[in-house]
Amino acid sequence: RKEVEQDPGPFNVPEGATVAFNCTYSNSASQSFFWYRQDCRKEPKLLMSVYSSGNEDGRFTAQLNRASQYISLLIRDSKLSDSATYLCVVNPAGNNRKLIWGLGTSLAVNP
Amino acid sequence: GAGVSQSPSNKVTEKGKDVELRCDPISGHTALYWYRQRLGQGLEFLIYFQGNSAPDKSGLPSDRFSAERTGESVSTLTIQRTQQEDSAVYLCANAVGAGANEQFFGPGTRLTVL
Repeated sequence: RKEVEQDPGPFNVPEGATVAFNCTYSNSASQSFFWYRQDCRKEPKLLMSVYSSGNEDGRFTAQLNRASQYISLLIRDSKLSDSATYLCVVNPAGNNRKLIWGLGTSLAVNP
Repeated sequence: GAGVSQSPSNKVTEKGKDVELRCDPISGHTALYWYRQRLGQGLEFLIYFQGNSAPDKSGLPSDRFSAERTGESVSTLTIQRTQQEDSAVYLCANAVGAGANEQFFGPGTRLTVL
């Protein structure tokens, strides 16, 4: 089993749609979790951290389920500019040394 | 403010040649990482520097790969005797410190080995 696994994608959705991505991780002792966004041929950028209580940033909601070892990202009211690859990232050691990166889920929002 | 910069942005080389990739970090960001991203693949950790501590080299794929960083300054990643499988984007990332949550990435160097 891979350390971090994501929905295979790609997701093609119309503008205004709600889309959800899931990510599972294998190390139950993992400490912190993140969603990064990577545009085509660009570097990754932090989208949001994922907290145990769940957190929301505008149209984006991230949730963590430690018991089932998965995190999710929900995007409401999709915009064309949301088209990107979304990377699930797990810090198994809590010291930000070797983040484990998922392969990413590609999202295309269509007009 | 200035972000992480990397040079060159693109490098085409012949198999067997050595290449040196450079990362100019954000001032004051003590943690520095090198990653490799092959086409269509995820990020692969290569090496981590934190201040003056010994670097974590556990991700380097072979002894052809090495990296240097003096203090909190510029870092260089050197690949000797390049192979075609070394073709990838090499990304440098900074974090404020060892416990920081966010990594700031440079634009990467796209290496093509012919």
